[in-house]
Amino acid sequence: DTEVTQTPKHLVMGMTNKKSLKCEQHMGHRAMYWYKQKAKKPPELMFVYSYEKLSINESVPSRFSPECPNSSLLNLHLHALQPEDSALYLCASSQEQGDYGYTFGSGTRLTVV
Amino acid sequence: GNSVTQMEGPVTLSEEAFLTINCTYTATGYPSLFWYVQYPGEGLQLLLKATKADDKGSNKGFEATYRKETTSFHLEKGSVQVSDSAVYFCALSAGRTNAGKSTFGDGTTLTVKP
Repeated sequence: DTEVTQTPKHLVMGMTNKKSLKCEQHMGHRAMYWYKQKAKKPPELMFVYSYEKLSINESVPSRFSPECPNSSLLNLHLHALQPEDSALYLCASSQEQGDYGYTFGSGTRLTVV
Repeated sequence: GNSVTQMEGPVTLSEEAFLTINCTYTATGYPSLFWYVQYPGEGLQLLLKATKADDKGSNKGFEATYRKETTSFHLEKGSVQVSDSAVYFCALSAGRTNAGKSTFGDGTTLTVKP
């Protein structure tokens, strides 16, 4: 299994809703990442987990809350988002946190209304 | 800090044309270099990588050589197909000097016409 699986593929939520994005990989990778990508832009790093511990938080607003329940799963909990948070949210994994290159999921297209 | 500069797009080519997408970088230490491809509506896919000077990464007919003297990692393909139409991102990862974070270029959109 050489994939990163993200669900849901599309999500529309209101500004008062709470929702979660899910990411799963079974490659034995020990580093997992959340990225945000706006249209026609490169991905922007949000969070890094290494060995199930939060390693990097790129000063992301608290309305985004990551969670790593085990070495295969990564969640991103969303609450009280703003319309400007609408974007493609990408999960990625790598063998370790370092120079290994990422395996990306297909992303969740999030629209905040 | 680290940075990646890609040639500006969009790039439009006819099928079977030769492709070059330029990428230059600035980094401390000895970074690893990557090319990712993003097809419409999808996530990024790792296309190829090189981890040290003079390494050549290759995959699916694409090649790139890590040139330390010119700090470059240009992407090339001898004969493009319509199916190669996508956005291409050059990236670097400088390991422990940057907590393993990757730095991406702005991306270059390639359109191949039949």
